[in-house]
Amino acid sequence: QKEVEQNSGPLSVPEGAIASLNCTYSDRGSQSFFWYRQYSGKSPELIMFIYSNGDKEDGRFTAQLNKASQYVSLLIRDSQPSDSATYLCAVNRGNNNDMRFGAGTRLTVKP
Amino acid sequence: DAMVIQNPRYQVTQFGKPVTLSCSQTLNHNVMYWYQQKSSQAPKLLFHYYDKDFNNEADTPDNFQSRRPNTSFCFLDIRSPGLGDAAMYLCATSRDRGPDSPLHFGNGTRLTVT
Repeated sequence: QKEVEQNSGPLSVPEGAIASLNCTYSDRGSQSFFWYRQYSGKSPELIMFIYSNGDKEDGRFTAQLNKASQYVSLLIRDSQPSDSATYLCAVNRGNNNDMRFGAGTRLTVKP
Repeated sequence: DAMVIQNPRYQVTQFGKPVTLSCSQTLNHNVMYWYQQKSSQAPKLLFHYYDKDFNNEADTPDNFQSRRPNTSFCFLDIRSPGLGDAAMYLCATSRDRGPDSPLHFGNGTRLTVT
């Protein structure tokens, strides 16, 4: 079992729709969870992070965390073509900032 | 703007010819990391420095070495690049190693091995 698993996609949504990206992790002791966006050929850029169960909203983005199910998700409301990218889920496993990444989900937003 | 800068953006080297990638940061962060990312794969941590304390991942090949001469700079040395080392190399920093310290990435160096 991979430490961080994401559906590779591609996930395709129409412009204006809600995109839902999912991530599961294997280490139950993981403490914080990050979503990064990576455009083709570029480096990852931080969207947001969460470490408490429940929802956290930042503009059009909402992260959701369920530690009991070892599941974290990212919702993108009012999706725009500029949101087309690969979204990486990263999990921090402890105080040593031991960050593990998933392979990413490729999202395409069609005009 | 405070940032993480990697040089060069693109590097071509020959099989077996040593190569050095560089990273600098103006964020004054304590921790610097080197990740390797191959196409459609997750970034893979090679090693990190917490201040001057070097931490090597168990599965990082001996062919990869790193130096951090001061807080601002970190280097990745590949002693004898093989074709399998062609990848994007990402430098990242974080304020500290706590769970609420996100990584800040540089623009990456794409390494080609001929």
